[in-house]
Amino acid sequence: AQSVAQPEDQVNVAEGNPLTVKCTYSVSGNPYLFWYVQYPNRGLQFLLKYITGDNLVKGSYGFEAEFNKSQTSFHLKKPSALVSDSALYFCAVRDIDRGSTLGRLYFGRGTQLTVWP
Amino acid sequence: SQTIHQWPATLVQPVGSPLSLECTVEGTSNPNLYWYRQAAGRGLQLLFYSVGIGQISSEVPQNLSASRPQDRQFILSSKKLLLSDSGFYLCAWSVFRETEAFFGQGTRLTVV
Repeated sequence: AQSVAQPEDQVNVAEGNPLTVKCTYSVSGNPYLFWYVQYPNRGLQFLLKYITGDNLVKGSYGFEAEFNKSQTSFHLKKPSALVSDSALYFCAVRDIDRGSTLGRLYFGRGTQLTVWP
Repeated sequence: SQTIHQWPATLVQPVGSPLSLECTVEGTSNPNLYWYRQAAGRGLQLLFYSVGIGQISSEVPQNLSASRPQDRQFILSSKKLLLSDSGFYLCAWSVFRETEAFFGQGTRLTVV
């Protein structure tokens, strides 16, 4: 089955420091990976995606993610965190290699990022 | 540009009452549509998935149903709500099965 795991429920970082939010995946074929951010009582906002190509993907708000096939990881990163980055972050994977579940998007449990001043 | 509308934003319903949440997408044709439920502010559970009018896939057996009466309209329903149906419901759409999904602002449902 396709799945993603976010091993950390909570990540705390000081403003101005680099941040990393971890994600590992399990897919039967080529991974289609995504990162989303959610602010309280709001819908999810798309940040970035990896489909193919360069392993380092750049997205919105200065975020980037590094795809590592050997480690089956897709960690979200930002060189310098802002207090306004504090939110809930979700990693997701597309299930496109199984006929009966084609196109489903599966999410990790989320990681709460807190950036303190 | 494409937009997704989801309403109402909040809803308080008594146990046993019916439910109808509506989601519409503008600016695109034949979108893939999704209903998710988020419990306790964390993980998202995929409830229903639709690739076209009248085509609904259900992920888990439950007290809810979904319908797609028009190309860009996706409705989540229940005949009789349970306390356990409380949660944050999110509608989403995507162009293709491989691409990113875009989410509505969600509906906070409280069943009392």
